[in-house]
Amino acid sequence: GAGVSQTPSNKVTEKGKYVELRCDPISGHTALYWYRQSLGQGPEFLIYFQGTGAADDSGLPNDRFFAVRPEGSVSTLKIQRTERGDSAVYLCASSLISGGTGELFFGEGSRLTVL
Amino acid sequence: DAKTTQPPSMDCAEGRAANLPCNHSTISGNEYVYWYRQIHSQGPQYIIHGLKNNETNEMASLIITEDRKSSTLILPHATLRDTAVYYCIVGGNEKLTFGTGTRLTIIP
Repeated sequence: GAGVSQTPSNKVTEKGKYVELRCDPISGHTALYWYRQSLGQGPEFLIYFQGTGAADDSGLPNDRFFAVRPEGSVSTLKIQRTERGDSAVYLCASSLISGGTGELFFGEGSRLTVL
Repeated sequence: DAKTTQPPSMDCAEGRAANLPCNHSTISGNEYVYWYRQIHSQGPQYIIHGLKNNETNEMASLIITEDRKSSTLILPHATLRDTAVYYCIVGGNEKLTFGTGTRLTIIP
């Protein structure tokens, strides 16, 4: 498809388990962003990649959260030892270049539920 | 990033113009004003952005005051499909910091 694709769309896991969320950005987009959105709140910035490197990871809440983008395209957000408070919709966005117009194209999100 | 203040909710009659205000009194000289919206259960969607001048595209118009401390997003002829949460964001060209936005409801 032409848009940002995120998988899985829904993930239910148990407290303490490991989770991976995948993002396929729009082809050719060099910048990729992860956000997290809790119910009733706006999206909260987690991390942003320019190419393969994390340009800003200041939003990652703690060391249980990690993201990679090894080939500068697909990105995976990894959450270790999940906690109930990690339950949220995880949104991925991409943009053509960093420092451009700021127009981010968002995916539909991955809804994570930690029981 | 500068903070923004938006009313938590607004209603607008279908077919009328929806005017969504945003205050950003601490905006700095090189920061843009961006507007995004989020329809229920979807990811945010870019609407428009501007620096100093008013801007218009096929979706909306953005009016920025001369002192840049506030702006208004105008949807000229609101439809039911415009019901969404609208986010006003001020910042540089990299990460965007979302607030809680304005929940706009279009009334038939």
